[in-house]
Amino acid sequence: DGGITQSPKYLFRKEGQNVTLSCEQNLNHDAMYWYRQDPGQGLRLIYYSQIVNDFQKGDIAEGYSVSREKKESFPLTVTSAQKNPTAFYLCASSIYRDGAYNEQFFGPGTRLTVL
Amino acid sequence: LAKTTQPISMDSYEGQEVNITCSHNNIATNDYITWYQQFPSQGPRFIIQGYKTKVTNEVASLFIPADRKSSTLSLPRVSLSDTAVYYCLVAFLTNAGKSTFGDGTTLTVKP
Repeated sequence: DGGITQSPKYLFRKEGQNVTLSCEQNLNHDAMYWYRQDPGQGLRLIYYSQIVNDFQKGDIAEGYSVSREKKESFPLTVTSAQKNPTAFYLCASSIYRDGAYNEQFFGPGTRLTVL
Repeated sequence: LAKTTQPISMDSYEGQEVNITCSHNNIATNDYITWYQQFPSQGPRFIIQGYKTKVTNEVASLFIPADRKSSTLSLPRVSLSDTAVYYCLVAFLTNAGKSTFGDGTTLTVKP
């Protein structure tokens, strides 16, 4: 079964702690993305990666970090520097074909609550 | 990046055709328009993508006028299960990060 998995589905952390959200895809997609979604709002891009060992900041990268050591994995760390980390986090991937990145496939999301 | 503007919400009834318009006045020459559907607490799902004129697939149609400053997603004969948030995305497809999701349109389909 091909797809994107995110774990855990729900995550609770104390303020001041770093936390890492997992994202794995077995679609052999080239690009991977992390988005943040706040209640009633759209998606905002945190980081994206087009190839292994390379990633770029999105619109709201402050307080977050990522790595792309393997094509299928793109973990996101929410650091203590992120002022308001409670949100719904979505990971996505897309394939690069015929000179373009095709539609994004999304994971089920991780809902992070910082207490 | 092209900014998109959509209506915040729309209501419809089962069996009706629904048209959701997205405005993207500063769309660039190489940008494509993509629409996604999102149900509560789930990731968005791709619906349709186009560059100009009309694109149709098994679930929707996408109309893009010649100036490409707007686009309209058309959902034929909606059902209750089409109640969701619909996002218009303008993307420069050769750069994975050059895309912007708007705030979306919440479509409510009533019986």
